[in-house]
Order: sequence, then C-alpha cells, then structure tokens
Amino acid sequence: GESVGLHLPTLSVQEGDNSIINCAYSNSASDYFIWYKQESGKGPQFIIDIRSNMDKRQGQRVTVLLNKTVKHLSLQIAATQPGDSAVYFCAENGAGGGATNKLIFGTGTLLAVQP
Amino acid sequence: GAVVSQHPSWVICKSGTSVKIECRSLDFQATTMFWYRQFPKQSLMLMATSNEGSKATYEQGVEKDKFLINHASLTLSTLTVTSAHPEDSSFYICSARDLRGLAGKHNEQFFGPGTRLTVL
Repeated sequence: GESVGLHLPTLSVQEGDNSIINCAYSNSASDYFIWYKQESGKGPQFIIDIRSNMDKRQGQRVTVLLNKTVKHLSLQIAATQPGDSAVYFCAENGAGGGATNKLIFGTGTLLAVQP
Repeated sequence: GAVVSQHPSWVICKSGTSVKIECRSLDFQATTMFWYRQFPKQSLMLMATSNEGSKATYEQGVEKDKFLINHASLTLSTLTVTSAHPEDSSFYICSARDLRGLAGKHNEQFFGPGTRLTVL
C-alpha cells in the first residue's frame, strides 16, 4: 500500500544551526508534496510545498528538496530557532489532482531546538 | 484568509454518549472537507472525505455508522462520534479544500486547530 515514512523520529539541534528533516515516500505517482509543522495541541501548519516537476523550492528560511529517483523529500531549516520546535510531517498528494485526492502523512519528526 | 475553525476545541464526555464536532471554513467555500484522527505521538490518519451535498467517503476500517459526517453547506461539516468509548479519545482535525482555487492553490488543504475528545 501507499506509505510515507521518515528516517528520523527525533532531531535535536542547537539554536542557530541548520536542521534537515528527511522523508521517504513510496508512491512514485504522487505529484505534489507538502511539509507541515504541528505544535503541541494544534492543527498542522503549512510550511512549504513542491510539485513533482521541481527538485528544489525555497521559502523564508526553509528549503524543500525532492529526489524522485530515490523517492526522497527533505526539509531544510536555516538558522533554527526555539520557535521552530515542533513535529514536522511530510505529506504526499496522489497524482491526478482530482477532487478527492487524499493527503498521506508521514510518521513525523520531532524537532527539538536546544538554546 | 483561508481560515478553518473547529468547535469545540476540547470536549469531555461519558462513555456511551454522542459528541458532535463542527468544522467551518470562515472566509471561503469548501467544496471538500476531510476529517483526520491523531493519537498521541502519532501521525494524522484520514478518516473520511466529505463533499458538499453528497455522502462522505470513509477510509478502510473507519465505521461510518459510528462516525457520522454531514457536509450540509459549503462552509460547514460536522463529525458526530456516536456511542463514544474511551478508545475514541483522540485529537480530531478537519481540513477544507477549495477546488476553485479562490482560497489558495487549487488542491491546498487548510487545517483546523483540532478538537481534543476525552471519553471517560
């Protein structure tokens, strides 16, 4: 079946360092990927997305890399801050862009930023 | 823009009672809404997809008679947990999608803040 998984369940970094969170996906037909941040007791917050026709996309302090050859997605956070501490999920959206395309979430990585 | 609200934010109920959770898109019309369940330290699991004016599509293993979903308007979907039991205690999250792209990208989902359900 379809699955999206993460290599590292917990990532601890020092404030100011760069963070890299990884994700592996299994459905080669997925054409859209999203990274979400979820703080404790809250809903997921959109961070950045990328389509399958791209291999890199940059936002403010964040960069998403997509390697379709090995079905790997990563989120890079520059100059990590204490406010970045949260659980990060990757999600894939099935191909076709249909009305009921579902998001499949990965298992999540807890990012802990040490002051 | 593109705000989704949920009500209540938390609820405690007795075993055997029913609980209704509302999901509203505040400033856009949601052609599709999704309901997720999240257990502690786990990922979001999709329960069902709800399209306005039609029956919800449930994921495998989700009992449709236990988790009643109604998407009566383009701004409101409700999830009713019937005859709740302690194992139903979870964090329930909805999301809304505006396929017309007026609220954002055509397939972007906007998430609500979640509802914490505790069944005693």
